[in-house]
Amino acid sequence: SYVLTQPPSVSVAPGKTARITCGGNNIGSKSVHWYQQKPGQAPVLVVYDDSDRPSGIPERFSGSNSGNTATLTISRVEAGDEADYYCQVWDSSSDPLCVFGGGTKLTVL
Amino acid sequence: QVQLVQSGAEVKKPGASVKVSCKASGYTFTSYYMHWVRQAPGQGLEWMGIINPSGGSTSYAQKFQGRVTMTRDTSTSTVYMELSSLRSEDTAVYYCAREVSLDYWGQGTLVTVSS
Repeated sequence: SYVLTQPPSVSVAPGKTARITCGGNNIGSKSVHWYQQKPGQAPVLVVYDDSDRPSGIPERFSGSNSGNTATLTISRVEAGDEADYYCQVWDSSSDPLCVFGGGTKLTVL
Repeated sequence: QVQLVQSGAEVKKPGASVKVSCKASGYTFTSYYMHWVRQAPGQGLEWMGIINPSGGSTSYAQKFQGRVTMTRDTSTSTVYMELSSLRSEDTAVYYCAREVSLDYWGQGTLVTVSS
């Protein structure tokens, strides 16, 4: 099965930039989606197809994907950005077809 | 606006089955695939499978093959996920989510398996 590797935690001061990585074998050839999940809530899509934002998601959220690493970047971090973040890809040659990373807890200091 | 509304929390005994529903509104039900994803307490997201509401075709993660059944009712725009032979490890919040990019999610349904 295809494996996505995320750091368990990332810490950042308010106003700074947070970068959350998602590693996978040749992940640059796949479309990566990112989700934000706050405690007790369902996940919310924040970036899709590597770098596109759904309507209503601030421009502070951006994504990139190349080689073996995809990255979610959150600029000018706010206290309200504190959450768990998950990357996800679709791999039609693998089981399961839909794979999530283990998640990264973003802490705003 | 797109909404996915799931059925309420369930408590089941080991060996029993549970059926969770997800009612869609605000879009053409048969035009978007629906996923089921679960999250055990304190754990990450785990994909269970997908259903095409148009024809009813399904694809399940191998881990759940033989225990999970996903169905749909186009007359009520509702998809269902039934999990059988429940064990304590199946205690989790179960979510439905729309489309390949899982752009909209239900509110989640807590299923507790306990004797």
